[in-house]
Amino acid sequence: QVQLVESGGGVVQPGRSLRLSCEASGFTFSSYVMHWVRQAPGKGWEWVAVISYDGNKKYYADSVKGRFTISRDNAKNTLSLQMDSLRAEDTAVYYCARDLTAHGDYHDLTYWGQGTRVTVSP
Amino acid sequence: DIQMTQSPSSLSASVGDRVTITCRASQGISNFLAWFQQKPGKAPKSLIYAASSLQSGVPSKFSGSGSGTDFTLTIYNLQPEDIAIYYCQHYKSYPLTFGQGTRLEIK
Repeated sequence: QVQLVESGGGVVQPGRSLRLSCEASGFTFSSYVMHWVRQAPGKGWEWVAVISYDGNKKYYADSVKGRFTISRDNAKNTLSLQMDSLRAEDTAVYYCARDLTAHGDYHDLTYWGQGTRVTVSP
Repeated sequence: DIQMTQSPSSLSASVGDRVTITCRASQGISNFLAWFQQKPGKAPKSLIYAASSLQSGVPSKFSGSGSGTDFTLTIYNLQPEDIAIYYCQHYKSYPLTFGQGTRLEIK
């Protein structure tokens, strides 16, 4: 079955960096678009970034553009999110998510990991 | 960006009731809409995709409808295990955006 396991969260000071990982299993990772989505404490959902199945296309939310970088290693079935210049408003639980269909343009976020918590605090 | 507006923001209903949650997009999104259920401390669970298609393993008590700008999620025969926050999400274009959520409670 599809499994997505995030790691790398923690407490970090404003302006510092953190790298999140998402290990995928139970499916052909290299065939699927992958996303990062976050939920700030007591708040709603915010889509963060997406990467194409081959890693050639990436899109970001305006709130993280220029600070966050999404990447993937299809040989290791791993999705990453490099977060630089972190701000207090980046505090959230970060989830990786996968769409239902391979190579698709339908970003229905069918499968989710359990999330990893990031706290940006002095 | 496409804004997604859910109503109501909270809802209290009795066991056995039929419940309807509405989601409105700020512009037409065809049927590029998903519905999620989130329980406390858990990741969201996908219920519906393409506005009305039931995800595998999701009970048929959940039903989605709509197209364009107006969508509904209906839950039949409400049970205590359905207590959660429900969200809609469009995927017509980037950025993907979510509704603010509807908190469902039992009377």
